[in-house]
Amino acid sequence: EAQVTQNPRYLITVTGKKLTVTCSQNMNHEYMSWYRQDPGLGLRQIYYSMNVEVTDKGDVPEGYKVSRKEKRNFPLILESPSPNQTSLYFCASSLSGSKRYEQYFGPGTRLTVT
Amino acid sequence: GESVGLHLPTLSVQEGDNSIINCAYSNSASDYFIWYKQESGKGPQFIIDIRSNMDKRQGQRVTVLLNKTVKHLSLQIAATQPGDSAVYFCAETPQGGKLIFGQGTELSVKP
Repeated sequence: EAQVTQNPRYLITVTGKKLTVTCSQNMNHEYMSWYRQDPGLGLRQIYYSMNVEVTDKGDVPEGYKVSRKEKRNFPLILESPSPNQTSLYFCASSLSGSKRYEQYFGPGTRLTVT
Repeated sequence: GESVGLHLPTLSVQEGDNSIINCAYSNSASDYFIWYKQESGKGPQFIIDIRSNMDKRQGQRVTVLLNKTVKHLSLQIAATQPGDSAVYFCAETPQGGKLIFGQGTELSVKP
């Protein structure tokens, strides 16, 4: 089954404790992206990757890191999480070119930082 | 900064009626405009996109209209069904792989 998977689905952590949210897709997609969703603010793009070893900042990259060493994986790293990073996070993937916006989204990761 | 906004945060329609969801965008240089649907508890789902050199594009029961003069985008859903109940987001693409989303419109379909 074609899908985007995220782990963990739910996470409660404390300020300053490094964490990684994994994202994996099995569709051989070139493009991958991370978003956060907050009430009243909609979806905001954190980072995106057009292909392996190519990453770029989205609208809200501060406090996050990403890497794209393999085509299928695009982990989101929070080196020192803070309470303002409490949010619902989505990973998405798509083909490149004109199909870039037909994005497939993962089920989301609900993160709480206390 | 760049922003994409929606005229109405909520829309309630009768089953079988047509729905129109509106969106204003701000960046004239955006190349693509996209509509996504998000059902409760799920990730967004792609509905349809339109390139900036087009005015209209039709899909299955959906039509997207683009008016670049007034920077306005709309999504029309024909014969709205209960399964169409969701939050609908528009998005624009100001550069490269960047994507800017609007805040969403909640569509409620009454049986």
